[in-house]
Amino acid sequence: DGGITQSPKYLFRKEGQNVTLSCEQNLNHDAMYWYRQDPGQGLRLIYYSQIVNDFQKGDIAEGYSVSREKKESFPLTVTSAQKNPTAFYLCASMTGFGTEAFFGQGTRLTVV
Amino acid sequence: AQKITQTQPGMFVQEKEAVTLDCTYDTSDQSYGLFWYKQPSSGEMIFLIYQGSYDEQNATEGRYSLNFQKARKSANLVISASQLGDSAMYFCAMKRGDWPRMGGNMLTFGGGTRLMVKP
Repeated sequence: DGGITQSPKYLFRKEGQNVTLSCEQNLNHDAMYWYRQDPGQGLRLIYYSQIVNDFQKGDIAEGYSVSREKKESFPLTVTSAQKNPTAFYLCASMTGFGTEAFFGQGTRLTVV
Repeated sequence: AQKITQTQPGMFVQEKEAVTLDCTYDTSDQSYGLFWYKQPSSGEMIFLIYQGSYDEQNATEGRYSLNFQKARKSANLVISASQLGDSAMYFCAMKRGDWPRMGGNMLTFGGGTRLMVKP
């Protein structure tokens, strides 16, 4: 079955560490997105990519970085510059006509 | 700038009754799309329904329908015959453009409404 796979499901980060969240899709979608969700809040856009080797900052890109070397993969790195990284991170891809966005199961990141 | 407002932080509904979740939006675009997603406690985002700004008829998907009032900039979700499994967070979202466009079809989300279905 087609879908989006995020890993790991839970991730713990020590202060000052960089961590990378994986996002893989087999839906053949060009557009992929990373969102952050804080408890009781809506989703906020971190980065998005419309095509391989191209990506754009979203509303809260500071302290994050991404790459898009393959159509199927859009990993997110949470750097030590992100001062409050504890959150739920969701990866998404969108159909060509933009009528449906598919989401992964999410990664819950906690700073310890 | 786009903005989505969901004014009901939490709602209760009796099982088997219908419920309306409110969503208002603000945009200067002529073309846009509106989505509703369900998020159970597991955290996954489940797509429910989509409405394009040029669609003349309200979208329906099974027990879900979208009450689209363009002039009032509202896109309320109606769930008919509520079930216990409908208890979850519900998010309204909007994308710019009703078709693929340069710059991305990014979604802007509202703050969500927590729906609780009583047996």
